Amino acid sequence: DAGVIQSPRHEVTEMGQEVTLRCKPISGHNSLFWYRQTMMRGLELLIYFNNNVPIDDSGMPEDRFSAKMPNASFSTLKIQPSEPRDSAVYFCASSLAGPQETQYFGPGTRLLVL
Amino acid sequence: LAKTTQPISMDSYEGQEVNITCSHNNIATNDYITWYQQFPSQGPRFIIQGYKTKVTNEVASLFIPADRKSSTLSLPRVSLSDTAVYYCLVGDMNTGFQKLVFGTGTRLLVSP
Repeated sequence: DAGVIQSPRHEVTEMGQEVTLRCKPISGHNSLFWYRQTMMRGLELLIYFNNNVPIDDSGMPEDRFSAKMPNASFSTLKIQPSEPRDSAVYFCASSLAGPQETQYFGPGTRLLVL
Repeated sequence: LAKTTQPISMDSYEGQEVNITCSHNNIATNDYITWYQQFPSQGPRFIIQGYKTKVTNEVASLFIPADRKSSTLSLPRVSLSDTAVYYCLVGDMNTGFQKLVFGTGTRLLVSP
């Protein structure tokens, strides 16, 4: 198995631009998670899906952030408009069923908003 | 959600045993304790999980006292490649949908 796949690996954009991060979970996994990691706040859960349905989005910082999972093999995290404080590493993870099962993380997307 | 507290950082030398303790005073009856490891520029990866007493695998051991208010991750004979951030998490295995909180973890630095 290729593991969790994320794209792009690096993204540099200017403030105000739209940013779309993509994730392909491990085949057969029913849960997908989006995390954000910064030095100041550590690793924070933004949102997670179970069977393509958002279960907990309490970590989504504000309306500029949105996440979708149109099918079991694809999810996007969108930031519109982006701001410099959104600069972070964004990880996608998947598990068989729920947060308590072992979560397998992707390599992350390093986002820099200028 | 049960809150966890762990040291911000630890230093060790190659070949030593490292014990990282995590406090979770308000752990619930159905909560399990899980540890993840994160190397620089990578996502976290699962190390070990336990409910009580002792769990051992090829990577580490997890010691959980009877009151379960703390747990200790033990890494035997660390090497330079064990330099990483270690996260302690607690969560209910039975409900399935309670999110896990990673926090800032413990940054372990292993020196020659």
